[in-house]
Amino acid sequence: GAGVSQTPSNKVTEKGKYVELRCDPISGHTALYWYRQSLGQGPEFLIYFQGTGAADDSGLPNDRFFAVRPEGSVSTLKIQRTERGDSAVYLCASSSGGDSILNEQFFGPGTRLTVL
Amino acid sequence: DQQVKQNSPSLSVQEGRISILNCDYTNSMFDYFLWYKKYPAEGPTFLISISSIKDKNEDGRFTVFLNKSAKHLSLHIVPSQPGDSAVYFCAAGSGSQGNLIFGKGTKLSVKP
Repeated sequence: GAGVSQTPSNKVTEKGKYVELRCDPISGHTALYWYRQSLGQGPEFLIYFQGTGAADDSGLPNDRFFAVRPEGSVSTLKIQRTERGDSAVYLCASSSGGDSILNEQFFGPGTRLTVL
Repeated sequence: DQQVKQNSPSLSVQEGRISILNCDYTNSMFDYFLWYKKYPAEGPTFLISISSIKDKNEDGRFTVFLNKSAKHLSLHIVPSQPGDSAVYFCAAGSGSQGNLIFGKGTKLSVKP
C-alpha cells in the first residue's frame, strides 16, 4: 500500500523502559508529523519535520521524548524512562509540498503504547 | 485550556436525516479549519476543510459552515448513511504553520 505505515501496531512496556516507535511516510512526502491521542481526547501535536530537520518540536511534553528523521523519510519517536501517563496511541502523518496545514495530512493507523 | 472544543461527545441520527456536528474555537489566529473522520483502529482521514475567508464549503453530502464572529463551525452531513458512523474531529490551525489543534471528537451513530 502507498499509505503511511507505523510499527509496531501495539507496544506494551514496563515503567522506566525505553521505546522506539517507527513511522514510514508516503513516498515523496517532505513533511512528517507526530501526534499523541490519549483516551477520550483528540490527537495532540508533538513535533513535525520538514525534510530532516525538526521545524517545530513545541508539543513534546518533556525531554524524555525525542524524534529523528535522519534521511528525510522514515522517522523514529523515542521515549526514555517511560511512565504510565505515556500510554496513548501515537499517530504519524505526512504531507507533500511543504509543511503548511493547507497541505492535506495523511495519517497512519497509529501505535498503541501501553506502559504497565 | 482547549483551543478547539467539541462539546457533544456523541450524536445519534436516523439514516437519511441530517447530521450536524459542532465545533467552537478560541484562538482568533486560526485561519484554516478541517474535519477529520476516524474509524476504530485506523488513523484519521481528511474529510473537508474551510479557509477563514469563506463561510461555506460543500463537497457532496458534506458541508462545512464557518461563523468567524462566533468562532464556530459546523459540519452538516445530508443525507446521513450508516457508513458515516465514526468519530469526527474538528481541527484548526494557521496556514503559516504545520501543526493542527484538534477537538476531542464527536462519535456519530447513524441508525438504519
